[in-house]
Amino acid sequence: QKEVEQDPGPLSVPEGAIVSLNCTYSNSAFQYFMWYRQYSRKGPELLMYTYSSGNKEDGRFTAQVDKSSKYISLFIRDSQPSDSATYLCACQRAAGNKLTFGGGTRVLVKP
Amino acid sequence: DAGVIQSPRHEVTEMGQEVTLRCKPISGHDYLFWYRQTMMRGLELLIYFNNNVPIDDSGMPEDRFSAKMPNASFSTLKIQPSEPRDSAVYFCASRLGQGTYIQYFGAGTRLSVL
Repeated sequence: QKEVEQDPGPLSVPEGAIVSLNCTYSNSAFQYFMWYRQYSRKGPELLMYTYSSGNKEDGRFTAQVDKSSKYISLFIRDSQPSDSATYLCACQRAAGNKLTFGGGTRVLVKP
Repeated sequence: DAGVIQSPRHEVTEMGQEVTLRCKPISGHDYLFWYRQTMMRGLELLIYFNNNVPIDDSGMPEDRFSAKMPNASFSTLKIQPSEPRDSAVYFCASRLGQGTYIQYFGAGTRLSVL
């Protein structure tokens, strides 16, 4: 079983809808949680970065971490066609150097 | 800053040939990571360097793979001999020091081994 699990999708939503993405992880030592966005044939780019539990908001994006249930979420409000991409969650231990990625969820926002 | 630069962007080669992938990290970053991405296995860490020194190569699939970082601005990943199952997208990422865990990725090299 993988340390970080993510539904591969695809997740198809109409423009303007809220996109809800999530990951589960098994390693309780993970302290840093990230969401990367990857467009087709591009490298992953950092979207959100969270330390430990709690919420973080940045524009249309909200990241949530619930360490008690080992569950991380990303919400995209007012989704746009330009949000169509694969979203990868990633986790890291404190004082560690290795990111463990989920398999990615492909999102399609239809105009 | 130009970001992490990888070359070539695409590589097509025949089985048995040597393949060399190149990476230039962001200036000043002291960590460099090599990843492989496939549909089946997702994004996997192969090896990472700190201050040009290989720290963890446990993700390197086998002896056919080798990586070097001769200086702070250049790294290579070499596959010799290449096999069709090595076909994947290879990414390089760099990071600045301790205290932040944000890795910045290059655009990747798409490798096809025929």
